[in-house]
Amino acid sequence: EDQVTQSPEALRLQEGESSSLNCSYTVSGLRGLFWYRQDPGKGPEFLFTLYSAGEEKEKERLKATLTKKESFLHITAPKPEDSATYLCAAGSSNTGKLIFGQGTTLQVKP
Amino acid sequence: NAGVTQTPKFQVLKTGQSMTLQCAQDMNHNSMYWYRQDPGMGLRLIYYSASEGTTDKGEVPNGYNVSRLNKREFSLRLESAAPSQTSVYFCASTIIGANEQFFGPGTRLTVL
Repeated sequence: EDQVTQSPEALRLQEGESSSLNCSYTVSGLRGLFWYRQDPGKGPEFLFTLYSAGEEKEKERLKATLTKKESFLHITAPKPEDSATYLCAAGSSNTGKLIFGQGTTLQVKP
Repeated sequence: NAGVTQTPKFQVLKTGQSMTLQCAQDMNHNSMYWYRQDPGMGLRLIYYSASEGTTDKGEVPNGYNVSRLNKREFSLRLESAAPSQTSVYFCASTIIGANEQFFGPGTRLTVL
């Protein structure tokens, strides 16, 4: 069964304290691994797509990496404006759908 | 480009009432999706339309119907609303298949 699991559920960091969010996946026919940011009361906003193990993508303080079983979202020297829920999703070429994880809610305190 | 738009943004219904949630995209995408998001449950797929003229059930289709009106528009209908349908509803679209999806701002629905 296709499944995506994110950990931790919630993460509190001090401003400048780097950390990583984990996304483990089991998907038949992985089409891509997607990261989204969701602010309260808004729709998910697309961040990155990763297609193959070893691939990395960066955007400001965020870097996403991919292995054959996991993806990590590394946050370097976070700022309060990075506070949000981060969702990952795995795309299945077999079903043509995305399978979403439950999300990690990040709070960065000044 | 407006991207994906949804109406209404908020709605309160009484049990048994019906309503239609509207979604439109201006990105010339082929595939469109309806999700619901509940605390602790993540995003769950209700229905999707892989291309104009086709619709299919997702993970939680019971109590809902959909219409792919044209390439741009995909509506979700609740025929007889129930309190269990209280949720935030998101519409999304993608060029085709399992590619990155782009989401609308959501409709927050409360059923009393």
